Amino acid sequence: GAGVSQSPSNKVTEKGKDVELRCDPISGHTALYWYRQRLGQGLEFLIYFQGNSAPDKSGLPSDRFSAERTGESVSTLTIQRTQQEDSAVYLCASSLAASGGYNEQFFGPGTRLTVL
Amino acid sequence: KQEVTQIPAALSVPEGENLVLNCSFTDSAIYNLQWFRQDPGKGLTSLLLIQSSQREQTSGRLNASLDKSSGRSTLYIAASQPGDSATYLCAVRPHTGTASKLTFGTGTRLQVTL
Repeated sequence: GAGVSQSPSNKVTEKGKDVELRCDPISGHTALYWYRQRLGQGLEFLIYFQGNSAPDKSGLPSDRFSAERTGESVSTLTIQRTQQEDSAVYLCASSLAASGGYNEQFFGPGTRLTVL
Repeated sequence: KQEVTQIPAALSVPEGENLVLNCSFTDSAIYNLQWFRQDPGKGLTSLLLIQSSQREQTSGRLNASLDKSSGRSTLYIAASQPGDSATYLCAVRPHTGTASKLTFGTGTRLQVTL
């Protein structure tokens, strides 16, 4: 079946502009995660959604970052007033559930964001 | 705070060699550990997931072991092939609460040469 998809695959923007990144999880997966991977660094957790529960936003680096999820489907990550340090690959993952033995995370191809 | 370290950072081996990648974590209270590979310009592919109660998992030429008490995991790749060239990441999930966020190591970049 279809895996996790993300769009756009690449995004170049000017400093100060807002950007929206989209993630389509695997159908039936109730948990969805956003991570960021800056050049030469490991993946950093940003936010995760589990069903209708309040999202865990503990990894968002500033209030310029926000994310929404519609039910158990599409999620968008929004970065307002982008800065050069926001340049990174943004990865989305989904899992069947967030707890128990079904939480193996499957990743999308990522969106490479470049802020000029 | 959980910290995950992977050694070596980079590794180059000739085709056919067996190799071991290492992952260590500072907090042994984990729910599970997952190994991924990442190809340039692509997302992560899940290779193996080991629950905290397990000692190892095998998939084809890959074998991952987990020693939770000592905070270590190894990924063994048998008879390496050029197609195995990629960055290998390990990630741990904490045991406490409902948090499912993974803490990743910085990866081992593997190059398998002909």
